[in-house]
Amino acid sequence: KAGVTQTPRYLIKTRGQQVTLSCSPISGHRSVSWYQQTPGQGLQFLFEYFSETQRNKGNFPGRFSGRQFSNSRSEMNVSTLELGDSALYLCASSHGVGRSETQYFGPGTRLLVL
Amino acid sequence: AQTVTQSQPEMSVQEAETVTLSCTYDTSESDYYLFWYKQPPSRQMILVIRQEAYKQQNATENRFSVNFQKAAKSFSLKISDSQLGDAAMYFCAYRRQTTSGTYKYIFGTGTRLKVLA
Repeated sequence: KAGVTQTPRYLIKTRGQQVTLSCSPISGHRSVSWYQQTPGQGLQFLFEYFSETQRNKGNFPGRFSGRQFSNSRSEMNVSTLELGDSALYLCASSHGVGRSETQYFGPGTRLLVL
Repeated sequence: AQTVTQSQPEMSVQEAETVTLSCTYDTSESDYYLFWYKQPPSRQMILVIRQEAYKQQNATENRFSVNFQKAAKSFSLKISDSQLGDAAMYFCAYRRQTTSGTYKYIFGTGTRLKVLA
């Protein structure tokens, strides 16, 4: 079974631009969660989508948004980029239900904002 | 609020030796899951092992095992016969159930493990 894939793997943007990141979950998984990873803050939860609906949300500004499609693929958008948005963005997929539900991560998208 | 603490930012172990990574967490819940994830320098986060709070038996996956002390809220990872490929950042994570019945994961800040040849 193929793992979680994320595109692109690397991205360089300038302040004020916007960016869209993509995540394809493991086949059969309906939940996709997004995390921001930085050396100082560790993994910070952005949001979770399940069956095309945002189910949980972290404490990030409205510039960070996402969506999920009917095939469970998810996109994350960051508008009006700031230098502090430079980070590794990780996507994790899971079944989203059941006691044994476990998240599996993709390789991440490294975003550099200049 | 639930928190996960990894008090060792960095650890080193000699190849073939055993190392234990510490993790403590704070919760008032009785039903939860705990996880250890490994993130090698290539950045792909990999699930190492998981433990259900209701199970008293410590989880084991090959050379990886945990010491789960529920009362002490401690969840340490033991790596036996350490190999160069074990060098990575290790994250401890706690999964809790929200009031709406969904799950949220809380991660520790990580422990960087170096394996010395």
